[in-house]
Amino acid sequence: DVKVTQSSRYLVKRTGEKVFLECVQDMDHENMFWYRQDPGLGLRLIYFSYDVKMKEKGDIPEGYSVSREKKERFSLILESASTNQTSMYLCASSSYYGTKGNQPQHFGDGTRLSIL
Amino acid sequence: EDQVTQSPEALRLQEGESSSLNCSYTVSGLRGLFWYRQDPGKGPEFLFTLYSAGEEKEKERLKATLTKKESFLHITAPKPEDSATYLCAVQAGYAGGTSYGKLTFGQGTILTVHP
Repeated sequence: DVKVTQSSRYLVKRTGEKVFLECVQDMDHENMFWYRQDPGLGLRLIYFSYDVKMKEKGDIPEGYSVSREKKERFSLILESASTNQTSMYLCASSSYYGTKGNQPQHFGDGTRLSIL
Repeated sequence: EDQVTQSPEALRLQEGESSSLNCSYTVSGLRGLFWYRQDPGKGPEFLFTLYSAGEEKEKERLKATLTKKESFLHITAPKPEDSATYLCAVQAGYAGGTSYGKLTFGQGTILTVHP
């Protein structure tokens, strides 16, 4: 089974702090994604990566950056945390779908982040 | 812009009472439609992928179908353990050859099955 592991289930930080959320997948997937999930707004894509050191902005990248130095690890960085970034953050991974078909994304269990 | 609308927002059923969840979509070139189940405090769990109109997939009490404009998730004789939020997502044709497989999600249907 695919395993996507997020480093923390719950995290509390203060406004202005630099926050790192870590995600590791064990299936050698090329693609990795960061979403946030908020009541009434659903899942929204923040950033994704289709290869090591490659990244693309999603729908709501403002205030975030990402890092992918190794294939299995994708980090989300809140440069200067603000209260409106309090949310559930979900990481996902999937395999390349060009020749193998449209492979589904597999999700971690999320990090519930509170910014005080 | 790709759009996914799920209905109803919430559905309450008695155990054994079959029903359907709807996912309507507009997308430029559908490459796949995905159904997920999400339990409280957990990440979405993959259920099905549908690729073309007329396709059907089944898993235990769940059956997913696809037309050119919508997908249905049919739940037959549900049990309380089927209670969860069900999410639908579409994957459009990708631009520029990038293999990221970006998904657009609906807001989900919260299903509650009472014993």
